Amino acid sequence: SQTIHQWPATLVQPVGSPLSLECTVEGTSNPNLYWYRQAAGRGLQLLFYSVGIGQISSEVPQNLSASRPQDRQFILSSKKLLLSDSGFYLCAWRQGAETQYFGPGTRLLVL
Amino acid sequence: GEDVEQSLFLSVREGDSSVINCTYTDSSSTYLYWYKQEPGAGLQLLTYIFSNMDMKQDQRLTVLLNKKDKHLSLRIADTQTGDSAIYFCAEIFPGGQNFVFGPGTRLSVLP
Repeated sequence: SQTIHQWPATLVQPVGSPLSLECTVEGTSNPNLYWYRQAAGRGLQLLFYSVGIGQISSEVPQNLSASRPQDRQFILSSKKLLLSDSGFYLCAWRQGAETQYFGPGTRLLVL
Repeated sequence: GEDVEQSLFLSVREGDSSVINCTYTDSSSTYLYWYKQEPGAGLQLLTYIFSNMDMKQDQRLTVLLNKKDKHLSLRIADTQTGDSAIYFCAEIFPGGQNFVFGPGTRLSVLP
């Protein structure tokens, strides 16, 4: 069966520091991968998606970037965090036409 | 344009039925989804319905789709305290890569 992992689960970082969040999927190959951000009490905002290794589509201009160095690995990064980058970051995968499955999320607090 | 709307809050008494509503603007969506998010967790896929269906039932969950009115609902029978969560409606379009999510409905189950 397929599983999706995210780490770390929680992160507290100072403003201006770098960021690297990792997402990995097991039990599938060539999935579509997604990064979402959920601000406190808000809905989901799609940040990036990837249909293959090295292929990244950005949905909104921002301080973040994404990379897909391996088929089942998706990384969200920043060179310098802003206060407004605080939120709950969710990775998701999808294969085929139907469903999208989410990871457990990473809670980021920028101070 | 793509837009999915939901009421933000719903309170019900334990044992009653809950009905969570969702409206969408684009009639070309192929699948419509309901996800559940418990506090501090990722999104869990509850159920989904293909756009050519009117109803889908799965144990305590009933999904109704009215394509004419672009209205989707999720009925939870015999609501329990464990059903307290945020419920997200989402849709996807033919050939689309991205899911469009509503803002989420926070369901509170009162004893």
